[in-house]
Amino acid sequence: GAVVSQHPSRVICKSGTSVKIECRSLDFQATTMFWYRQFPKQSLMLMATSNEGSKATYEQGVEKDKFLINHASLTLSTLTVTSAHPEDSSFYICSARAEQGVGNTIYFGEGSWLTVV
Amino acid sequence: AQTVTQSQPEMSVQEAETVTLSCTYDTSESDYYLFWYKQPPSRQMILVIRQEAYKQQNATENRFSVNFQKAAKSFSLKISDSQLGDAAMYFCAYRSGANDMRFGAGTRLTVKP
Repeated sequence: GAVVSQHPSRVICKSGTSVKIECRSLDFQATTMFWYRQFPKQSLMLMATSNEGSKATYEQGVEKDKFLINHASLTLSTLTVTSAHPEDSSFYICSARAEQGVGNTIYFGEGSWLTVV
Repeated sequence: AQTVTQSQPEMSVQEAETVTLSCTYDTSESDYYLFWYKQPPSRQMILVIRQEAYKQQNATENRFSVNFQKAAKSFSLKISDSQLGDAAMYFCAYRSGANDMRFGAGTRLTVKP
């Protein structure tokens, strides 16, 4: 089946630094990817929709200057948390929409744990 | 806006017995998809079952089946012959067209041996 890979799976960074998380569709092209954030014991909350070759669409309340999303190719979207603070510590998960061959299905990455110390 | 509601924060079932997880949703769309995802401690999102709104027949995947009531906007998940490995968070989700997926708050399922 289709695979979406996220990297890194776990990252620890110092407060004030930036960290990048990658989301790759390994065997299909994805013009649209989605980034979610999940706090402990809570559901997945959509942060933004990443569109290949154009600007991401952010959900209300999500700071676009803090959570930079780049979708430069049909198989890669990146989320950069800039000037990270401890409150940014969370589980971030991406999904990618396959538009050909697998029926417009959405596939999830394995997620990335971010800890800001 | 579409919303998904899971009214059971926690559920418990005895091994080998049956449990039903509830989900309701709100939408003005006529064509959409509904999903149940399982999230074990690893946090990997695992698709359990999927239902297309235009299909009247309830989806079934081995021990997992749904009761889809379109008019009532209800989409419950039944797990039969529960196994210890079924213990996880279960999320009900809604999606229309090419849009993103919206999730309910989740239900934590415990399976007692």
